[in-house]
Amino acid sequence: ETGVTQSPTHLIKTRGQQVTLRCSSQSGHNTVSWYQQALGQGPQFIFQYYREEENGRGNFPPRFSGLQFPNYSSELNVNALELDDSALYLCASSTPEEGNEKLFFGSGTQLSVL
Amino acid sequence: KQEVTQIPAALSVPEGENLVLNCSFTDSAIYNLQWFRQDPGKGLTSLLLIQSSQREQTSGRLNASLDKSSGRSTLYIAASQPGDSATYLCAVPSNDYKLSFGAGTTVTVRA
Repeated sequence: ETGVTQSPTHLIKTRGQQVTLRCSSQSGHNTVSWYQQALGQGPQFIFQYYREEENGRGNFPPRFSGLQFPNYSSELNVNALELDDSALYLCASSTPEEGNEKLFFGSGTQLSVL
Repeated sequence: KQEVTQIPAALSVPEGENLVLNCSFTDSAIYNLQWFRQDPGKGLTSLLLIQSSQREQTSGRLNASLDKSSGRSTLYIAASQPGDSATYLCAVPSNDYKLSFGAGTTVTVRA
């Protein structure tokens, strides 16, 4: 078990609604990354936050937004949900010094959009 | 843009058989490659990380090789066990903060 916790574990929403997913990073980690994993696919990078600022973004529309708080926990917000947003959303924490070599993933939030 | 491909998509073997999982990537200018394990509906666990200067990395029954020039990595799992049943993903960094993943190989080890 890593020290990264995500909530909720499962969520069901309808098309057009908004959703907020939460992530608490591993102790001592100030960088949080979010990934979307559709069924049968590898995770796709959404964005990364470092010290409360967005530090990089993948190919996702602006309705995907995030926040990082002073305690380094993070939120992923998705507006105007679409059916294709149904996926497992993974959060990973790290430090800049170790970068992608020491990524600790949470167990994810399974989002279903009906 | 880095593209990562994993073959085969699924594999079923009897217990005790050795497993060979393949990963290829299009941009050979990588500085490391990682193999992850994912159990159904769960997060990812890092198994092995190979630096670009290394050819192999071993951990217990797992051995990963890396051939940067040909854009390939192979994960070997010796003497497979039912507990090895999972999806195995390889990933390479596209820049300092982003990993590009393959779609994974789903392994079933039959008792």
